[in-house]
Amino acid sequence: QLQLQESGPGLVKPSETLSLTCTVSDGSISSDHYWAWIRQPPGKGLEWIGSIFYTGSTVYNPSLKSRVIMSVDTSKNQFSLNLSSVTAADTAVYSCARCAIFSPFDYWGRGTLVTVSS
Amino acid sequence: QSVLTQPPSVSGAPGQRVTISCTGSSSNIGANYDVHWYQQLPGTAPKVLIYGNINRPSGVPDRFSGSRSGTSASLAITGLQAEDEADFYCQSYDRSLRGWVFGGGTKLTVL
Repeated sequence: QLQLQESGPGLVKPSETLSLTCTVSDGSISSDHYWAWIRQPPGKGLEWIGSIFYTGSTVYNPSLKSRVIMSVDTSKNQFSLNLSSVTAADTAVYSCARCAIFSPFDYWGRGTLVTVSS
Repeated sequence: QSVLTQPPSVSGAPGQRVTISCTGSSSNIGANYDVHWYQQLPGTAPKVLIYGNINRPSGVPDRFSGSRSGTSASLAITGLQAEDEADFYCQSYDRSLRGWVFGGGTKLTVL
């Protein structure tokens, strides 16, 4: 069964860049699916951040596009998220997931809490 | 503001039926993109409850059902049980935004 695991710092200072990596195991990242980042601020709903295909093709949420860069490393079966110029509003549980345009987010990581604070 | 609109909360007594609406627009649900529903228990990742508007993954009880019409979709839960208490999210794809969209989420309380 496909597994996803997020990793990265749990604390980021304001104005700095949040960097997370998602490692995919028991399956290949080079499949006919997109790989996504989704976040959930404490007590709030889900927000799609962006998705990447194994070829490196990306799609970002327009509301975050100016601050988001996603990348993929097929040799390590990983994909990553960089969110720049963070503020307290970016404090959230960040999860990685697998998706496709006509399919749901069917596999999720457990999520990692990232707090933006000095 | 979420692209898909859900009621913030619904409630019902054990054994009753509740429905959760998900209202979109002509660029997402109305454009024939599928609606998927997730159940999120506290402290856990969302789990697919309904996919492709009406389909239940293996293991999801048939007390849960989905429907879609026009620019809206609905999730119905019959025979409410205490264990159903959770947050529910609808999700689709938006061709104007060229990305995936979620509803704001609905908290189900079993009285």
